[in-house]
Amino acid sequence: GESVGLHLPTLSVQEGDNSIINCAYSNSASDYFIWYKQESGKGPQFIIDIRSNMDKRQGQRVTVLLNKTVKHLSLQIAATQPGDSAVYFCAEETSGSRLTFGEGTQLTVNP
Amino acid sequence: DGGITQSPKYLFRKEGQNVTLSCEQNLNHDAMYWYRQDPGQGLRLIYYSQIVNDFQKGDIAEGYSVSREKKESFPLTVTSAQKNPTAFYLCASSAWQGYTFGSGTRLTVV
Repeated sequence: GESVGLHLPTLSVQEGDNSIINCAYSNSASDYFIWYKQESGKGPQFIIDIRSNMDKRQGQRVTVLLNKTVKHLSLQIAATQPGDSAVYFCAEETSGSRLTFGEGTQLTVNP
Repeated sequence: DGGITQSPKYLFRKEGQNVTLSCEQNLNHDAMYWYRQDPGQGLRLIYYSQIVNDFQKGDIAEGYSVSREKKESFPLTVTSAQKNPTAFYLCASSAWQGYTFGSGTRLTVV
């Protein structure tokens, strides 16, 4: 099943289920958004990005949805695997090409 | 392979001492950034540089200093004025292709 809702610090899912991680961004002028995956003790790893002229973009097992009306971004992971366990951050690009990060969601995949 | 190298991976500092964290990139990126990450939190911007010999303060610049004398290098100095320096420090660079992050330096004040 899916877990949806407002931004949560933790999300636990069963292996094989779909995951949805949500993020609210702050700057209505932001035009570029990125989702990162961060494993413990490592730097953020790029997952997928989307520009503000789009509302959906798909990658391999991942989909990003952008709702500019309510300034909301979500990351959907299909068929979640144990290797997907990590902290996931959304980031928005604001003026001067600087990234502002959300607080992150810890995803735990149970076998 | 192109990328960003941060060194050292772990760093210990005594209170009252300055310490410099290294960040080197061979991606030919113009822009470079330093972020701080505390446990269970997101990344906060310390300083950034969009071009050589120029840099701007981020959201939490107090107690830190940087230099950008070469395109490839963006060292961060954590000064004794930084009241709570223990954290995970991440360097990044960017160009039109996107952002690339280093593997981080974990600084501990002892």
